[in-house]
Amino acid sequence: DVKVTQSSRYLVKRTGEKVFLECVQDMDHENMFWYRQDPGLGLRLIYFSYDVKMKEKGDIPEGYSVSREKKERFSLILESASTNQTSMYLCASSFPQELGQPQHFGDGTRLSIL
Amino acid sequence: KNQVEQSPQSLIILEGKNCTLQCNYTVSPFSNLRWHKQDTGRGPVSLTIMTFSENTKSNGRYTATLDADTKQSSLHITASQLSDSASYICVVSSLNAGNMLTFGGGTRLMVKP
Repeated sequence: DVKVTQSSRYLVKRTGEKVFLECVQDMDHENMFWYRQDPGLGLRLIYFSYDVKMKEKGDIPEGYSVSREKKERFSLILESASTNQTSMYLCASSFPQELGQPQHFGDGTRLSIL
Repeated sequence: KNQVEQSPQSLIILEGKNCTLQCNYTVSPFSNLRWHKQDTGRGPVSLTIMTFSENTKSNGRYTATLDADTKQSSLHITASQLSDSASYICVVSSLNAGNMLTFGGGTRLMVKP
C-alpha cells in the first residue's frame, strides 16, 4: 500500500514563527503536492514538485515556500506564520500525471496559528 | 476559470437507503474526473477515475457516471452503511498545465442508523 506520512497531525504555532510541515512518501513517486483545505473552499494547491529540487507554484503560493532535497520528502515552509494560514494541510504524491493516475494523500496536518 | 461545483453540500440518509451526489464542472480541456472519499480526520482516498470515453464506473456499492457533453457527474451509493459517512469530493483534471486538478467543495454525507 502507498504510504504518505505527514509528520504532525496537529500543530499550534504563534504568529510570526517559521513553520515546517514535513511529508514523506514510500512509493518512489515523482510528483508531490501540498494543498490546504478550508471549509467551503475545497482543496487548493499551494505548491507542487515533479522532481527533486524542482518546484512549481500552485494557486495560492503566497506566504509559503517548499523544499524537495530528496525524492521521498517534500517540505512546506511558512516563512512567517499568520492567523489566516490556520488550516488543514494535505500532502499528496503520484506518478507523473498520466491518465488514471491517482494522487495518494496523507492524513493531513491541522495547523493553528495563534 | 476552471470550477467544480458539488451538490448538495450536506446530506443525511438512513442506513440501507440509496443516495446520489452531483458534480458539475467547467474544466476545459477535460482529462479525467475522480471521486474521492474523505473520512473525518483522514486524507482523501480515490474511489473512481473516469476518462472522457467512460460513462460509468463502479467500485463496490459506489457507481460513478459521467456525461462529458453536459459536464456533469454523479456518484450513486447503494444500500448505504454507517461507514459511508464521510465527505465526497469530485476532482476534475485538465489537459492544460500538466493535468492539474480542480477540486469541488465536497458533499458531507451522514448515514444514520
